[in-house]
Amino acid sequence: SQQGEEDPQALSIQEGENATMNCSYKTSINNLQWYRQNSGRGLVHLILIRSNEREKHSGRLRVTLDTSKKSSSLLITASRAADTASYFCATDGNQFYFGTGTSLTVIP
Amino acid sequence: DGGITQSPKYLFRKEGQNVTLSCEQNLNHDAMYWYRQDPGQGLRLIYYSQIVNDFQKGDIAEGYSVSREKKESFPLTVTSAQKNPTAFYLCASSLGQGSTGELFFGEGSRLTVL
Repeated sequence: SQQGEEDPQALSIQEGENATMNCSYKTSINNLQWYRQNSGRGLVHLILIRSNEREKHSGRLRVTLDTSKKSSSLLITASRAADTASYFCATDGNQFYFGTGTSLTVIP
Repeated sequence: DGGITQSPKYLFRKEGQNVTLSCEQNLNHDAMYWYRQDPGQGLRLIYYSQIVNDFQKGDIAEGYSVSREKKESFPLTVTSAQKNPTAFYLCASSLGQGSTGELFFGEGSRLTVL
């Protein structure tokens, strides 16, 4: 399976701290995307990073990609209680392949 | 506003019954997808369609069927052949063919078999 795997499975931090979650995948990619899912809701696209990019920023989000290690990381800086959600990476191919997600809890 | 609408949000089914989940999009997207989400297992692809009147099986298509008669609509039928249908079902769309763009998701349909 090309499915990615996020690490850690669950993360709990205090408001204001940074949250880092990682994604590993198995095959070569054209791009990698990160999505967020609030409990019981649909997924929302956060950011896309292409295989020729190493780092990308969007607001409080910073994504890195290391194609040699087949891994990506998502950093959320200055976390807020509203950031509490599950975060998924998705890789491309003939179809989108999603990881199993990291459940982030930000404690006020 | 443009987006994807899934209905119903909650659905209960007796064993042996077929049920159809609706997915409608007004984003003018060519590609549409159905995913199943179980706790701790992420999203698994059931079916996808890149153009009207054409669709392909995903990783877990057994026990499911779809149609794509209109660009805007991609309904999913969960048949009685699906042995463990209780799950959260997510419909999504993307602008073009292939997986190079972002996915737009509906709010999901939660199916429970009684």
